[in-house]
Amino acid sequence: EAQVTQNPRYLITVTGKKLTVTCSQNMNHEYMSWYRQDPGLGLRQIYYSMNVEVTDKGDVPEGYKVSRKEKRNFPLILESPSPNQTSLYFCASSLAPGVVGYTFGSGTRLTVV
Amino acid sequence: AQSVSQHNHHVILSEAASLELGCNYSYGGTVNLFWYVQYPGQHLQLLLKYFSGDPLVKGIKGFEAEFIKSKFSFNLRKPSVQWSDTAEYFCAGPRTGANNLFFGTGTRLTVIP
Repeated sequence: EAQVTQNPRYLITVTGKKLTVTCSQNMNHEYMSWYRQDPGLGLRQIYYSMNVEVTDKGDVPEGYKVSRKEKRNFPLILESPSPNQTSLYFCASSLAPGVVGYTFGSGTRLTVV
Repeated sequence: AQSVSQHNHHVILSEAASLELGCNYSYGGTVNLFWYVQYPGQHLQLLLKYFSGDPLVKGIKGFEAEFIKSKFSFNLRKPSVQWSDTAEYFCAGPRTGANNLFFGTGTRLTVIP
């Protein structure tokens, strides 16, 4: 089944403790992206990647890192999480997002205390 | 900057009422526009997209949208909503100079049985 898989689905952590949210797609898509969803703010893009080893900042990249060492994986790294990063995170992938749109993962609800 | 905007934040309707959710875009030239739906607790799913050609686009679950170039609008419609349409709806369009998507802030639809 074609899908974008994120893990974990739920995560509670403490301020400053490094964490990684994994994202994997099995559709051979070049483009991958991370969004965060907050009430009243919609989806805001954190980072996106056009291909292996090619990434770029989105609208809200501060406090996040990404890497794209393999085509299928696009992990999101929070080196020192803070409470304002409490949010719902979505990974997405596409062959051409501006043309066909993105396929989304199931989301990761992160709480930083 | 090229973007999309949604001005209805929360819409409440009774079952069988007609629905129209607004989406305005600020692009020039050819645009590809999308509507996504997010049911409670789930990820975003593509409802429909406009690529070119017929400005009236039919999507899944009885939804449709009309691209009106003169009004810079791509409003989502459904003649008769059901309780199961309760969800958040996002309009999206391409970002400037990149094969990437920008999402509106979303409209929460509550359908009362």
